[in-house]
Amino acid sequence: EAAVTQSPRNKVAVTGGKVTLSCNQTNNHNNMYWYRQDTGHGLRLIHYSYGAGSTEKGDIPDGYKASRPSQENFSLILELATPSQTSVYFCASGDVGGRGEQYFGPGTRLTVL
Amino acid sequence: GEQVEQRPPHLSVREGDSAIIICTYTDSATAYFSWYKQEAGAGLQLLMSVLSNVDRKEEQGLTVLLNKKDKRLSLNLTAAHPGDSAVYFCAVALTNSAGNKLTFGIGTRVLVRP
Repeated sequence: EAAVTQSPRNKVAVTGGKVTLSCNQTNNHNNMYWYRQDTGHGLRLIHYSYGAGSTEKGDIPDGYKASRPSQENFSLILELATPSQTSVYFCASGDVGGRGEQYFGPGTRLTVL
Repeated sequence: GEQVEQRPPHLSVREGDSAIIICTYTDSATAYFSWYKQEAGAGLQLLMSVLSNVDRKEEQGLTVLLNKKDKRLSLNLTAAHPGDSAVYFCAVALTNSAGNKLTFGIGTRVLVRP
């Protein structure tokens, strides 16, 4: 059974609109992460969280917010979506002492028109 | 900050041959090393992870080598089969990395031809 799930799997949004990407994990991991994947850039960290109520900026946080209301759920919020945010977004979870091991969701393909 | 270079970007091998992917990193404080596999349309799947005190690890047709002196990590797919066709990423983390943040290589697209 999938331990990290994401919704929606595909999303088309309009420029200036608000987009919320959701992630749920059943691994009981404290840490959760949001990445985007673009050709030529690999995976880049947007936001991460140490646990419920915490959010931290990653390497490319501009234009994104995050919310961690519970151990299981971590959301990525685009308040004013732009075409440059068209990408594939991945959520992952990892244990505090997990030696850098992370477990990924299936991804959300976001297109901003 | 930590930088990771991964090569080659593309690799095509015949079924039964070996495929080798190499990553180099810059920070000597790097402590955690891992390899991920991404199949088409899917998320990343953790293949294998090693700590900095491990030089070699083998599991199910995969061999990971770590050369700390040269700051080089490699993945060898021995006797590759078509099911190994995917994109492979190396990832590293520092000992004191807040939140166990990973730095990823850019990926290697591997094609195994029958």
